[in-house]
Amino acid sequence: QVQLIQSGAEVKNPGASVKISCKASGYTFINYFIHWVRQAPGQGLEWMGIVIPDGGGTAVTQKFQGRLTMTRDTSTTTASMELTGLRPDDTAVFYCARGPSDSSSRSLFSFDHWGQGTLVTVSS
Amino acid sequence: QSALTQPPSVSGAPGQRVTISCAGSSSNFGAGYDVHWYQQLPGTAPRLLIFGDSNRPSGVPDRFSGSKSATSASLAITGLRVEDEATYYCQSFDNSLSPPQWLFGGGTKLTVL
Repeated sequence: QVQLIQSGAEVKNPGASVKISCKASGYTFINYFIHWVRQAPGQGLEWMGIVIPDGGGTAVTQKFQGRLTMTRDTSTTTASMELTGLRPDDTAVFYCARGPSDSSSRSLFSFDHWGQGTLVTVSS
Repeated sequence: QSALTQPPSVSGAPGQRVTISCAGSSSNFGAGYDVHWYQQLPGTAPRLLIFGDSNRPSGVPDRFSGSKSATSASLAITGLRVEDEATYYCQSFDNSLSPPQWLFGGGTKLTVL
């Protein structure tokens, strides 16, 4: 079955960086996008960016440009995100999510499987 | 402020039917992009509930249904159960922005009375 397993919770000081990994299994890694989504405490879901495993291309929403780097390693079927310049309001749960890439499918542009989430706490 | 607008909360009694609306615009729904719905139970990751406006992934009960018209969409839940108490999010795509955006609604908390 499809699984996305994320790395564990992190506590960081303001100004630091955090790197979160997302290990994919149960499907052909390069055939699906990987997205990153943030959820601040008590708040809604916020799309951060996308990495295309087949080729490594990325796109980052404007809010996180300059601070967010997303990568993938096809040999280990793992995607990662690094957020720099952390602030207390970056405290959130970060999710990786799989995105279908088949343009003929009605599930295109959806998120059909999610990781369990990684809590990042930014505090001095 | 989300580009997709949902009511913050809805409620219903067990067995009843509730609907959750999602207002979009000409650059997402109106441009032909589908709406997808997610259920997030407290303390858990979101789960895909409806994709492509009205399709259910395997394992999602047929009590859940979705529809979409020009620039609005809705999720209906019939035969409401206590375990349906969760936050529901609509989601779509907007290609008019740079980079193109995957959009979420603000979420609607469903309370089962």
